[in-house]
Amino acid sequence: QVQLQESGPGLVKPSETLSLTCTVSGGSISSYYWSWIRQAPGKGLEWIGYIYYSGSTNYNPSLKSRVTISVDTSEKQFSLKLSSVTAADTAVYYCAREHCTNGVCQSYFDYWGQGTLVTVSS
Amino acid sequence: EIVLTQSPGTLSLSPGERATLSCRASQSVRSTYLAWYQQRPGQAPRLLIYGASSRATGIPDRFSGSGSGTDFTLTISRLEPEDFAVYYCQQYGSSPPTFGGGTKVEIK
Repeated sequence: QVQLQESGPGLVKPSETLSLTCTVSGGSISSYYWSWIRQAPGKGLEWIGYIYYSGSTNYNPSLKSRVTISVDTSEKQFSLKLSSVTAADTAVYYCAREHCTNGVCQSYFDYWGQGTLVTVSS
Repeated sequence: EIVLTQSPGTLSLSPGERATLSCRASQSVRSTYLAWYQQRPGQAPRLLIYGASSRATGIPDRFSGSGSGTDFTLTISRLEPEDFAVYYCQQYGSSPPTFGGGTKVEIK
């Protein structure tokens, strides 16, 4: 059974960079797209971006200027960096896997991490 | 980007009743690329439906999805106690993938 686990600081100061890592276990990181999705307190879900295991990325235009997603296949991890954070970036951050079948991938999410709350505050 | 509007915001029903949730898109969703998720308090979303009407692995058949174009529906035929949760639709036909604002199904 595929499992994803987010890790990283739960508190980040305004204007600094938020950094999170997602570790994949129970399955391969290869041949899949891996996404970050966030949920502000009491709000809906917002897709941040994805990375393919080979390293290609696609980001939400609303966050593109501040987002970097990277992958380390040897460690079965992928990471999120979000720069110049403000209180509006306070959210539960989820990592998730896009569904792929026979090499065809579609951007809906069949496995999710439990989520990690990141609070932006001084 | 495609904006998804879910209605109603809250649905108050009793166990055993039928729940009908709506998701409307601001433009046509390509190839019925629409998914539904269930989120219980303190948990990550759980995939229920993809391709507008296909149930994900392990999802009970009391959950069904329908629709195309701009109008989609999630139906729960008979509510079980564990079904009281928030439900989100998500389109993946165009980038960026977007989610609706959610419908909370609460116990009446």
